[in-house]
Amino acid sequence: AQSVAQPEDQVNVAEGNPLTVKCTYSVSGNPYLFWYVQYPNRGLQFLLKYITGDNLVKGSYGFEAEFNKSQTSFHLKKPSALVSDSALYFCAVRESGYSSASKIIFGSGTRLSIRP
Amino acid sequence: DAGVIQSPRHEVTEMGQEVTLRCKPISGHNSLFWYRQTMMRGLELLIYFNNNVPIDDSGMPEDRFSAKMPNASFSTLKIQPSEPRDSAVYFCASRLLTGELFFGEGSRLTVL
Repeated sequence: AQSVAQPEDQVNVAEGNPLTVKCTYSVSGNPYLFWYVQYPNRGLQFLLKYITGDNLVKGSYGFEAEFNKSQTSFHLKKPSALVSDSALYFCAVRESGYSSASKIIFGSGTRLSIRP
Repeated sequence: DAGVIQSPRHEVTEMGQEVTLRCKPISGHNSLFWYRQTMMRGLELLIYFNNNVPIDDSGMPEDRFSAKMPNASFSTLKIQPSEPRDSAVYFCASRLLTGELFFGEGSRLTVL
């Protein structure tokens, strides 16, 4: 069965500094990986995904993520953090295969706090 | 498109009452998911449908929970009878084949 781990409950970064939110995964076969963001009292919003191809994936709001197969990681990054990036971030993995019937499992979430 | 629409946004009920949460997925999406979010347990997958057929309901906590998808544009999650430990935010999400989920704004349930 697939699983995803976010080892940090909270990440604190000063505005303007680079940020990294960590994610590792376990899945049989090739992984399909996702990042989502959740603002208070809102649903989750899709940021970016890795399916195949270039290991560096660019997404919304200036975020990017790097797929590392040997380390089974998919860390979320941004070169310069904004206070408005403060939110809850979820990594997710989908079962291998492109079946329309496959499910997506989410990590426990990492709260990102950007101080001015 | 209006996105995934959930109702009600907030529900407060008493223990033992029946609760019905509703979801309208994005038109054309063929998979629908129900998740539950709590502080203690995070985001849990309860059940998901593909082409209106339940594929995996192993996350449904107890027989008190049931979900239906009578057609491609509507799904319900029912709790009967409700208990205080069911208090959570329940999310519905839908998906195209490309993989990413689109979430509704959630239904916040409080069982007293």
